[in-house]
Amino acid sequence: KQEVTQIPAALSVPEGENLVLNCSFTDSAIYNLQWFRQDPGKGLTSLLLIQSSQREQTSGRLNASLDKSSGRSTLYIAASQPGDSATYLCAAGSNRDDKIIFGKGTRLHILP
Amino acid sequence: ETGVTQTPRHLVMGMTNKKSLKCEQHLGHNAMYWYKQSAKKPLELMFVYNFKEQTENNSVPSRFSPECPNSSHLFLHLHTLQPEDSALYLCASSQDRGGTGGRNYGYTFGSGTRLTVV
Repeated sequence: KQEVTQIPAALSVPEGENLVLNCSFTDSAIYNLQWFRQDPGKGLTSLLLIQSSQREQTSGRLNASLDKSSGRSTLYIAASQPGDSATYLCAAGSNRDDKIIFGKGTRLHILP
Repeated sequence: ETGVTQTPRHLVMGMTNKKSLKCEQHLGHNAMYWYKQSAKKPLELMFVYNFKEQTENNSVPSRFSPECPNSSHLFLHLHTLQPEDSALYLCASSQDRGGTGGRNYGYTFGSGTRLTVV
């Protein structure tokens, strides 16, 4: 059974710093991995989608990487801003049952 | 707006009430999903509809009853809920389920309905 873990559960960093959020999954039989952002009490906004054949995707200050063999994905945020404060979730799409499994998220706080 | 609209945004209901949540998408997607998000838990998939047919029910209690009249609309009918059902209910859509569309383009989520059962 696929399990997706995000560590740490919460992170605070000063504005302007570059940071990395981690996502690990136990079953490498995935077809994609998606990163989402969730603001308090709101829905999920898709940030980046990486297909299993890809190693990374970039959008603006965000870069997501995928290493299936080690069961890991990272979300890199460059030059962080207070507006980046939110919860970031990753979700892995399973080849075995076509389900996407979510991690519990990392709550990010950028200090002004 | 993401293209997936959920109403109402907030709902407070008593345990004996009957209410419905609505989800609407105009993205041309054929698969729609209901998720439940409780505090400190990962998102839980509740129901999946693919081309209007229910393809998945993840052991959801019968007090939750989904309805999908067409590929653009999804409802979740609620009756005799319990306080532990209080959560954020999220609707999502994808191009299709099990086909290359859903795999290639990912999921789009609505803003959710915050449900409180009193």
